Amino acid sequence: KAGVTQTPRYLIKTRGQQVTLSCSPISGHRSVSWYQQTPGQGLQFLFEYFSETQRNKGNFPGRFSGRQFSNSRSEMNVSTLELGDSALYLCASSLIAGEGNEQFFGPGTRLTVL
Amino acid sequence: GQNIDQPTEMTATEGAIVQINCTYQTSGFNGLFWYQQHAGEAPTFLSYNVLDGLEEKGRFSSFLSRSKGYSYLLLKELQMKDSASYLCAVRDRDTDKLIFGTGTRLQVFP
Repeated sequence: KAGVTQTPRYLIKTRGQQVTLSCSPISGHRSVSWYQQTPGQGLQFLFEYFSETQRNKGNFPGRFSGRQFSNSRSEMNVSTLELGDSALYLCASSLIAGEGNEQFFGPGTRLTVL
Repeated sequence: GQNIDQPTEMTATEGAIVQINCTYQTSGFNGLFWYQQHAGEAPTFLSYNVLDGLEEKGRFSSFLSRSKGYSYLLLKELQMKDSASYLCAVRDRDTDKLIFGTGTRLQVFP
């Protein structure tokens, strides 16, 4: 069974631009969560989608948004990029949402904002 | 508030035993996870505890005390490949969010 895939793996943008990251969960998984990972802050929860609905959201500004499609693939968008948005963005999928469901992480997208 | 504390770095010797502690404060509790993350790679699941006690899985064990807001990950017979970051994460029952600690970077020396 293929794992979680994320594209692109690396991205370089400049301040003010916008970016869209993509995540394909493990086949059959309906829940997708997104995290931002930086050296100082660790993994910070962005949002969680289940069956095309955002079921939970972290404490990030409205510049960060996401969506999930009927095939469970998910995208996240960051508009008006800032230098502080440079981070590793990780996507994780699980069979269903919440509780003790193990999350399987993708390799991440390394975003650098210049 | 929500807070998860783990030591930033630890070192140990090949073949030894190491215990990585995690303390948490959340508005509710619905399970604790441990993940391993090698440099440049994605986190991988190690263990899940929702009831008090010890869960053993090969060389790795995880312990939970809900009354103390405390967990530890025990790694036995350390190998060089165990050098990685170990992430403690708590599922907050009230918000249903998975909250991660900043991770403990373990270095295993020969």
